[in-house]
Amino acid sequence: KNQVEQSPQSLIILEGKNCTLQCNYTVSPFSNLRWYKQDTGRGPVSLTIMTFSENTKSNGRYTATLDADTKQSSLHITASQLSDSASYICVVSGRSSNDYKLSFGAGTTVTVRA
Amino acid sequence: ETGVTQSPTHLIKTRGQQVTLRCSSQSGHNTVSWYQQALGQGPQFIFQYYREEENGRGNFPPRFSGLQFPNYSSELNVNALELDDSALYLCASSLDRRQHADTQYFGPGTRLTVL
Repeated sequence: KNQVEQSPQSLIILEGKNCTLQCNYTVSPFSNLRWYKQDTGRGPVSLTIMTFSENTKSNGRYTATLDADTKQSSLHITASQLSDSASYICVVSGRSSNDYKLSFGAGTTVTVRA
Repeated sequence: ETGVTQSPTHLIKTRGQQVTLRCSSQSGHNTVSWYQQALGQGPQFIFQYYREEENGRGNFPPRFSGLQFPNYSSELNVNALELDDSALYLCASSLDRRQHADTQYFGPGTRLTVL
C-alpha cells in the first residue's frame, strides 16, 4: 500500500473558481511534505515545502496546509487559471539521516476550463 | 526552468534493446536521483548517485544501472528492455544527498516507448 494517498484522482473546475486537493500519508517519522506541480510531459516543479512545525505555507495563489497529528495535507488553489491545469503531486520524506527515498503520491489531475 | 536538462526528449525502442538516458544537473549539485513515472502515476524511485557512487536504490532490477560524472552529468542505462519499461524517466538534482533535507530540481524527463 502506498504511503501517500491523494484525492481526488482528478477534478474539473471553471476558471476563476477555487479548489482543494487532499493528501494523506503514513510515512513515519515525518520530516517534510512537498507539493509539486507537473505539467503534462514535463518534470515536477516545487510549489511548497513544509516541515513538521509548519501548518501553512503560501506560494502565490497556492496555499498548502499540514496537520502532522492527523497526517493530512491540503493544497488550495485560489481563483484558478487555465495555466493551473496540471497534475499536483504530494511528496513526503522521512526524518532518518540516511533516508534517500521520498514517497510520492499518484497525483491529482486538475483541469481548468474557461 | 529548473536548470536540469535531459536528453533525448522522446525515444522509441523495441523489446530486448538497450537504452541510455542522459541528465545534466544544476552546477554544484552533487546528488542526482532517477525516477520512473508510468502514465497516471507518481514517480517511482530508481536510484540515487552521490559524488559518482550509487547512494541508494529502489525496487528495480539490476538491468537498470547508472553512472554519474564529475561534470554534473549522469546516465541511466536500461538493458533488455521490456514493454513495461515504457514510461517518463525523470532525473532530479539536489545539493544534499539527504533527500529529506533538500529540494530536488527535476528535469523535463525522457519519454521512453518500448514496442
